[in-house]
Amino acid sequence: GAGVSQSPSNKVTEKGKDVELRCDPISGHTALYWYRQRLGQGLEFLIYFQGNSAPDKSGLPSDRFSAERTGESVSTLTIQRTQQEDSAVYLCASSLAWGATYNEQFFGPGTRLTVL
Amino acid sequence: DQQVKQNSPSLSVQEGRISILNCDYTNSMFDYFLWYKKYPAEGPTFLISISSIKDKNEDGRFTVFLNKSAKHLSLHIVPSQPGDSAVYFCAASKLSGKLIFGQGTTLQVKP
Repeated sequence: GAGVSQSPSNKVTEKGKDVELRCDPISGHTALYWYRQRLGQGLEFLIYFQGNSAPDKSGLPSDRFSAERTGESVSTLTIQRTQQEDSAVYLCASSLAWGATYNEQFFGPGTRLTVL
Repeated sequence: DQQVKQNSPSLSVQEGRISILNCDYTNSMFDYFLWYKKYPAEGPTFLISISSIKDKNEDGRFTVFLNKSAKHLSLHIVPSQPGDSAVYFCAASKLSGKLIFGQGTTLQVKP
């Protein structure tokens, strides 16, 4: 497809379970970002991958959160032992390599995670 | 520590009039400032941006103004249309590429 895709679109899980969220970036985009938006709040940066560089994990809220990216393709965000406060829409974005004039990031539709 | 703030959670404007959305930031190291528009159940879409070396950027009905001394930016939409009704996020970026977002302002344009 032409845009960023994410799966699943919705995920309902029980507290304590692990979840895995997937992001397929736009082909050719070397930078990939994960954000989350909790209800009534703005987007919160989680993690950033740029090519083969070490990822910027400064936004991950706890060690229950981790993410991987294979090369310049798919990324998965894993949340272990989910808590109710993890409920949010998790958004993935991709962009051309940093240095592009507008640093424009293209967002996927998001995965809505609900932890019961 | 909220580095990017949108103090107005909502704004209602009549069709054809000007919409002005405001954003304040605290970190003088930001290089780029961007506005994103978001419809329900969709990801944000890029609208317009401005480099820190400029004070104005215009694209059709949308103009972004940057006042670095006041650490303030604004988005003007003229004329406003009902299809502009959405949540608008301002965002700021430093060299690392990650975006720091404000909380969003819900714009409603009434016909």
